[in-house]
Amino acid sequence: AQSVAQPEDQVNVAEGNPLTVKCTYSVSGNPYLFWYVQYPNRGLQFLLKYITGDNLVKGSYGFEAEFNKSQTSFHLKKPSALVSDSALYFCAVRARDSGSARQLTFGSGTQLTVLP
Amino acid sequence: ETGVTQSPTHLIKTRGQQVTLRCSSQSGHNTVSWYQQALGQGPQFIFQYYREEENGRGNFPPRFSGLQFPNYSSELNVNALELDDSALYLCASSPWDRYEQYFGPGTRLTVT
Repeated sequence: AQSVAQPEDQVNVAEGNPLTVKCTYSVSGNPYLFWYVQYPNRGLQFLLKYITGDNLVKGSYGFEAEFNKSQTSFHLKKPSALVSDSALYFCAVRARDSGSARQLTFGSGTQLTVLP
Repeated sequence: ETGVTQSPTHLIKTRGQQVTLRCSSQSGHNTVSWYQQALGQGPQFIFQYYREEENGRGNFPPRFSGLQFPNYSSELNVNALELDDSALYLCASSPWDRYEQYFGPGTRLTVT
């Protein structure tokens, strides 16, 4: 079974400061990892993914994430937060050898608020 | 390029009724997945369709069923609705050889 933990329900950061949204995962074998963002009354928007290779992956809107295999973590980061980054962020995992079904398992989400 | 679209946007049903939700996948995407997102929670995988066949299912009872059509659009059917079925239902599509999935705006189902 695979699972994702997002230990913080809420993260507050001042505009212009760096932000981090934490994610740890559990999966058999090697993972595929993803970050999505959800704005109110909207679907999920893909931000970035880790498949293989460089542990630091860059995505949309200046976001990046670092894959750490020993700590089974995939934290989302941005060097300088914007008020418009305020949204609900989800981390997701898929087992590399998941067979035919490519299901994503999501965490419970972290509400990011960037204060002006 | 048109993204994933879902209909209807909102729906109110009574316990015991049946409902059909619809999804049009993004152009060229032959794989469709459905997720249920209860209030305050992350999306939960219901099932996935590829080439008009179900090829994976999450921990949902058989009263949740689906279809995929030759144009890759899809339907989610839920029979004998229960109050706990109230949620945002998300459809996601992708090409079979891509890793990420692209989500539609969802259908908000309320069961009273």
